[in-house]
Amino acid sequence: AQTVTQSQPEMSVQEAETVTLSCTYDTSESNYYLFWYKQPPSRQMILVIRQEAYKQQNATENRFSVNFQKAAKSFSLKISDSQLGDTAMYFCAYNNNDMRFGAGTRLTVKP
Amino acid sequence: GAVVSQHPSWVICKSGTSVKIECRSLDFQATTMFWYRQFPKQSLMLMATSNEGSKATYEQGVEKDKFLINHASLTLSTLTVTSAHPEDSSFYICSAARIGRAGFGETQYFGPGTRLLVL
Repeated sequence: AQTVTQSQPEMSVQEAETVTLSCTYDTSESNYYLFWYKQPPSRQMILVIRQEAYKQQNATENRFSVNFQKAAKSFSLKISDSQLGDTAMYFCAYNNNDMRFGAGTRLTVKP
Repeated sequence: GAVVSQHPSWVICKSGTSVKIECRSLDFQATTMFWYRQFPKQSLMLMATSNEGSKATYEQGVEKDKFLINHASLTLSTLTVTSAHPEDSSFYICSAARIGRAGFGETQYFGPGTRLLVL
């Protein structure tokens, strides 16, 4: 079974600073997809970024980027220039047929 | 694009009644829809996967007679919690994946969730 581990239950960062959220996963598959989703207090799940495992280049979306280390099965999310609106739960997810989520990291951006 | 709606957003019901939750993809057709359950301060747990026109596939430990799923069209899936009890109180979230995408790994777009409280 595939498992996703987020080892940081809570993190905080000052506004405009950079923060990195960690995620590791376990799989025997060679082809799969990885995601970071954001869940703000509204509880709406919002896609932040998506990475295809067969692509070596790290995905980026504006202030969000990932460090994908396939051999290490690591998929961290870097948020640059943190904004107050980034305060949310962040879930790392693995998908190879169906989506498996990590336990989440609660990020608080402080003014 | 890729908007998913859920209705209702909030429901309170008496124990023993049935509750239906609708999930709609508003601006795309969804081959597959997923139903999740989320307890407070916890992650999402996949309950079942439904494909249009076929029976849903339930995760281990999820009672299919308790949680009835119908995926009647490419834009609508419903989850019915039958004979609801207080332990069924939770936050239910649906998601949808676009038609025609790769068989696995496609991005899931999530609805806003439905909060169910069974008294």
